[in-house]
Amino acid sequence: EEQLVESGGGLVQPGGSLRLSCAASGFTFSQYWMGWVRQAPGKGLEWVGNIKQDGSRKVYVDSVKGRFTLSRDNAKNSMSLQMDSLRGEDTAVYYCARWITAPAHAMDVWGQGTTVTVSS
Amino acid sequence: QTVVTQEPSFSVSPGGTVILTCGLSSGSVSANNYPSWYQQTPGQPPRTLIDSSNTRSSGVPDRFSGSILGNKAALIITGAQADDDCDYYCVLYMGNDIWAFGGGTKLTVL
Repeated sequence: EEQLVESGGGLVQPGGSLRLSCAASGFTFSQYWMGWVRQAPGKGLEWVGNIKQDGSRKVYVDSVKGRFTLSRDNAKNSMSLQMDSLRGEDTAVYYCARWITAPAHAMDVWGQGTTVTVSS
Repeated sequence: QTVVTQEPSFSVSPGGTVILTCGLSSGSVSANNYPSWYQQTPGQPPRTLIDSSNTRSSGVPDRFSGSILGNKAALIITGAQADDDCDYYCVLYMGNDIWAFGGGTKLTVL
């Protein structure tokens, strides 16, 4: 079964840091773009960023550029999101997702999410 | 900055047909925006409905279909059922490997 499991969420003070992880299983992780999507309480889904198969390309939504960093370890079938200088508006459930990119495009496998709360 | 637009809410009667749209605040949606559609119920992760080739994900009923209608992407639900009462999101490719969600549509079936 193709599966993604997020971990690392928690409560952090404004200005603090947190590292989220996404563990993949059941598929060849190195063949896919991977990404993160978040959802603030009571709000819609927001695309956060994607990382290419070999990690050579990383893209982010403007609101997290310079504060969040994507990385992946294909040998360990895992992806991480390092979140620094956290703000209250970063409070959300963070979902890890797999992207299919050829010939069609979509996020086709989702994790259950991990909750990040930024508060003093 | 261009924003992805969706109807905030929509209502349909059981058995009815509804077309939810996904547009751009500036310009038209085309196949090059690779639109895809997702369904979400409260407290659950999103579920992928349709990819950019308008192919349904495994297990998605054939009452769901995708298309580009005019200058927008569309999710068409024919024969709406009670458990279709939830939130729907589209995602569009904005260029330079950047993607964006629409604000979502809350569909009510009653």
